[in-house]
Amino acid sequence: DGGITQSPKYLFRKEGQNVTLSCEQNLNHDAMYWYRQDPGQGLRLIYYSQIVNDFQKGDIAEGYSVSREKKESFPLTVTSAQKNPTAFYLCASRRVGAGELFFGEGSRLTVL
Amino acid sequence: GQQVMQIPQYQHVQEGEDFTTYCNSSTTLSNIQWYKQRPGGHPVFLIQLVKSGEVKKQKRLTFQFGEAKKNSSLHITATQTTDVGTYFCAGHSGNTPLVFGKGTRLSVIA
Repeated sequence: DGGITQSPKYLFRKEGQNVTLSCEQNLNHDAMYWYRQDPGQGLRLIYYSQIVNDFQKGDIAEGYSVSREKKESFPLTVTSAQKNPTAFYLCASRRVGAGELFFGEGSRLTVL
Repeated sequence: GQQVMQIPQYQHVQEGEDFTTYCNSSTTLSNIQWYKQRPGGHPVFLIQLVKSGEVKKQKRLTFQFGEAKKNSSLHITATQTTDVGTYFCAGHSGNTPLVFGKGTRLSVIA
């Protein structure tokens, strides 16, 4: 089955630790995205990548980093500089030229 | 930058009542998309509207795109408990990434 896999589904970390969230897709999509979802805030764009080895900041990139070394993978690192990292993180992908976003099931990060 | 406003934030309806959520953009959109997120789930694409004044139907759901391509609505006729979730609109303007509204959370009371 084609789709997007995010891991882990749930993650607990201590304040000050960096955390990397995995996102893998086998849809052969060129574009990949990371969104953050907080209650009542909708989806806010963190980073996106339209091609391998290239990525752009979204609206709330501060305290996050990404890489895009392979077409199918777009990991997100939540660094210790992110002041309020507890949130639900969603990865998505899209075929360039098409509109529809396909989402993974999300990773819920709790920082204690 | 581009902003997409969505109202209402919450809506509680009795099963069988109709429901409408509205979306307004600060800029003219190339297209608008709608997504549904069930409680505890992830957003799932419903539809994309591209043309000015476009109306599309999916069973009990009716989607409209405004003539000026700055607003849109989703109307559900005779809601069912399976309609529960949060409905998001998201707009494209030029080559910018999708901008999502904050969503309307629908509760259906049986």
